[in-house]
Amino acid sequence: EVHLEESGGGLVQPGESLRLSCAGSGFIFSDYWMQWVRQAPGKGLEWLASIKPDGTDLYYGGSVRGRFTISRDNIRNVFFLQMNNLRADDTARYFCVRGIGSGIYYNFFDSWGRGTLVTVSS
Amino acid sequence: EIELTQSPGSLSLSPGERATLSCRANQIINGAYLAWYQQKPGQVPRLVLQGASTRASGVPLRFSGSGSGTDFTLTISRLEPEDFAVYYCQQFGAFGQGTKVEVK
Repeated sequence: EVHLEESGGGLVQPGESLRLSCAGSGFIFSDYWMQWVRQAPGKGLEWLASIKPDGTDLYYGGSVRGRFTISRDNIRNVFFLQMNNLRADDTARYFCVRGIGSGIYYNFFDSWGRGTLVTVSS
Repeated sequence: EIELTQSPGSLSLSPGERATLSCRANQIINGAYLAWYQQKPGQVPRLVLQGASTRASGVPLRFSGSGSGTDFTLTISRLEPEDFAVYYCQQFGAFGQGTKVEVK
């Protein structure tokens, strides 16, 4: 059974950094695109970043490009989201998501972690 | 950048009725790359359709998708109680804002 588990969320002040981790199990981690998606309280879904199975290609949404960095470790079956210069509007639940498909466009989000809550507040 | 606009924002229907949800892109997109997700309160999203019209594993036959170009539709032929949820369309880089299907 596919399992994704996020960690690393918490309360930080504006301008601070946080690193989220997501551990995957139950599947061949290195075969899949992985992404981060967030959802602010009471709001819709926002795609943040995607990383190719071998880690060579990275894609970012406009609201986080330049501040967030996605990476992965296929030996340990884990991937990360380094978040710098956090702002109040980054407050959300952050989901790690597995993608099925052959590329960044043909990439559908079939398995989701439960999410980790990030709160940015002074 | 791709923008996806869903309509209506909410839909009040009774069980057994037909639900028609719309997703419009701000530019022509390849339907093969479009997906629909269902999210119930307190739950994570669930993939419903991929490639605009292919049902994901375990999704009932009452869910269908269609469309091309800039306009795509998710149809639930006869609503069951478990279908009342928020539905999002998605393509690389963007989610629609969601359509809430609620009980009338």
